[in-house]
Amino acid sequence: LAKTTQPISMDSYEGQEVNITCSHNNIATNDYITWYQQFPSQGPRFIIQGYKTKVTNEVASLFIPADRKSSTLSLPRVSLSDTAVYYCLVGENNAGGTSYGKLTFGQGTILTVHP
Amino acid sequence: DTAVSQTPKYLVTQMGNDKSIKCEQNLGHDTMYWYKQDSKKFLKIMFSYNNKELIINETVPNRFSPKSPDKAHLNLHINSLELGDSAVYFCASSHYSGHTGELFFGEGSRLTVL
Repeated sequence: LAKTTQPISMDSYEGQEVNITCSHNNIATNDYITWYQQFPSQGPRFIIQGYKTKVTNEVASLFIPADRKSSTLSLPRVSLSDTAVYYCLVGENNAGGTSYGKLTFGQGTILTVHP
Repeated sequence: DTAVSQTPKYLVTQMGNDKSIKCEQNLGHDTMYWYKQDSKKFLKIMFSYNNKELIINETVPNRFSPKSPDKAHLNLHINSLELGDSAVYFCASSHYSGHTGELFFGEGSRLTVL
């Protein structure tokens, strides 16, 4: 499975754009890139998923360069409630895939948003 | 309605005891999982069931025995609890194929072994 590397922590202020980059040098052809958010005392929650180029939804954008060896989660205009741990995962995007179910969430990036 | 619910939310017990955690999902998913999150926040897959059949067992000690009576339920029974079993256990579910693979997690069950 492709290993992912993210910064351990980041700090930001309300209203700023936050970009969290994840490295995944060994990403395989069938792998998708998925980001989850976890608040204290809660389970992780899906944010966004992509395969290449750019994906945008109502919460975030995901930028993936052509070589797919990294990806960047972009959170526009963060608020205090965006303080959480953000996990980057790489693997097949359905449970029937051979690598999907063995996804391991790494340490993640602790994002702290300040007033 | 809670999509993935687990009980109990907190569990404090002595070493050597046996305990169970229950999980239910009302999303109509066919695959369910147990994850363990340790103190360093690493979240690791333990088991995965698809339509009541075990499809992933990530070298978890056999003191841990999952049971899936139907595809909406996946329970976790732990025998002879050890100090190292203290962690937060998350249940999750997803579709098996043809979807984004999004995992839906419960709120977790914090197990403390004394």
